Amino acid sequence: DVKVTQSSRYLVKRTGEKVFLECVQDMDHENMFWYRQDPGLGLRLIYFSYDVKMKEKGDIPEGYSVSREKKERFSLILESASTNQTSMYLCASSWGVGNEKLFFGSGTQLSVL
Amino acid sequence: SQKIEQNSEALNIQEGKTATLTCNYTNYSPAYLQWYRQDPGRGPVFLLLIRENEKEKRKERLKVTFDTTLKQSLFHITASQPADSATYLCALDVSGGGADGLTFGKGTHLIIQP
Repeated sequence: DVKVTQSSRYLVKRTGEKVFLECVQDMDHENMFWYRQDPGLGLRLIYFSYDVKMKEKGDIPEGYSVSREKKERFSLILESASTNQTSMYLCASSWGVGNEKLFFGSGTQLSVL
Repeated sequence: SQKIEQNSEALNIQEGKTATLTCNYTNYSPAYLQWYRQDPGRGPVFLLLIRENEKEKRKERLKVTFDTTLKQSLFHITASQPADSATYLCALDVSGGGADGLTFGKGTHLIIQP
C-alpha cells in the first residue's frame, strides 16, 4: 500500500515562528501536493510539485513556501506563522501526468498561538 | 470560477437503505470526477473515479453516475451500514489533464443510523 507520512500529527507554534511541515511518500510518485482544510471552507490547494525541485502555486500560496529536494519528500514552510494559519494541513501524492487518485497523509493539525 | 457544490447539510439515512449524495459543478467540463471518503481527523481516501465518457461506475456497494450535460455526479451507497458514516468529498481536475491538483467540494457528512 502507498504510504504518505506527515511528520507531526499535532503541532503548536507561536506567532512569528518559522514552521516546517514534512511529508514523505514511499511509492515513487511524481506529484505531491499540500492542502489545508478548514471548517466550512473545505480543502484548498496551497502548493504542488510535479518533479524534484519544481513547484507551482495553488489557490492560496500567500504566506507559504515549499521545498522538494528529493522525489519522496515535500516540505511546506510557513515563513512567519500567523494565527490565521491555524488549520489541518494535508499532504498528498499521485502518480503520472494527471491528478488521478490522490493518496493523502493523515494530516497535521497546526495551532498558531 | 469553478464551483463545486455538495449537500451542505448532514444526511441521515437508516441502516440498510440506499444513501445518495450529490455533487454539482459549474463553469467547467472535467475529463473525470472523483469521490473520496474522509473520517474525522484523517486524510481523505480515494473511492472511485468516473470519466466523462462513462455514465456509471460500480465498486462493491458503491455506485457513481456522471451526467456531463447536467454537470452532476451522484454517489450511491446501497445497503448502508453504520460504518459508512463519514464525510464524502467529490473532486474535479480543473487543470485539463495536468498535475495541478484537484479541486474539492466541501463534502457531505453522512450518518447511517442503526
